[in-house]
Amino acid sequence: QLQLEESGPGLVKPSETLSLTCTVSGGSMSSTSYHWGWVRQPPGKGLEWIGSIYYTGSTYYNPSLRSRVTLSVDLSNNQFSLRLRSVTAADTALYYCVLLYGSSTSPNFINWFDPWGPGTQVTVSS
Amino acid sequence: DIVMTQSPLSLPVTPGEPASISCRSSQSLVDINGYNYLNWYLQKPGQSPQLLIYLGSNRASGVPARFSGSESGTDFTLKISRVEAEDVGVYYCMQARQTPYTFGQGTKLELK
Repeated sequence: QLQLEESGPGLVKPSETLSLTCTVSGGSMSSTSYHWGWVRQPPGKGLEWIGSIYYTGSTYYNPSLRSRVTLSVDLSNNQFSLRLRSVTAADTALYYCVLLYGSSTSPNFINWFDPWGPGTQVTVSS
Repeated sequence: DIVMTQSPLSLPVTPGEPASISCRSSQSLVDINGYNYLNWYLQKPGQSPQLLIYLGSNRASGVPARFSGSESGTDFTLKISRVEAEDVGVYYCMQARQTPYTFGQGTKLELK
């Protein structure tokens, strides 16, 4: 049974780069059906998909964040990572990593998002 | 982007009574095989979202039978046959037909 857990600094200064890592346990990241993603939730608000990465390294980003986001994958350590540049207070949120289960290599037609990590709070403040 | 619109945004329910949440997508979520790429999630207080329903009407593993999902074109409904105390939280619909994946605003279910 796959489990995911986020890690990284809980406080980031404005204009700096937010970096988070998600560690996957209980299985391989290299299944053809697995895409790996990040979702965030600002305080008291709803959910926003940030981006996803396939184990081959193919990436898909939300256009609203594309200019500032980079995802990467490290299969040797069963991890994938998020980097968000030039952060502002609007990037303060609970960040979740999640498995996207699909039927192919395409990011379209994803069957479900599950499981999710417990989430990690990131606050942008000087 | 596909816009997901939920209603109501707040849902007070008496335990043991049924509940229903609606979600409408701005575009079709169906593929050539007829599957709707629409999921329902429940985010209990202080927890990560948990998958309830996938592909419009399929209950996820371990989800109680009182939860059901239905589809009609671009309209989707989550029904709880008899609400229990553990069902309190925020319910989200989400489309995974295409990127960017988008969520509804959320429906907060609380007990009367």
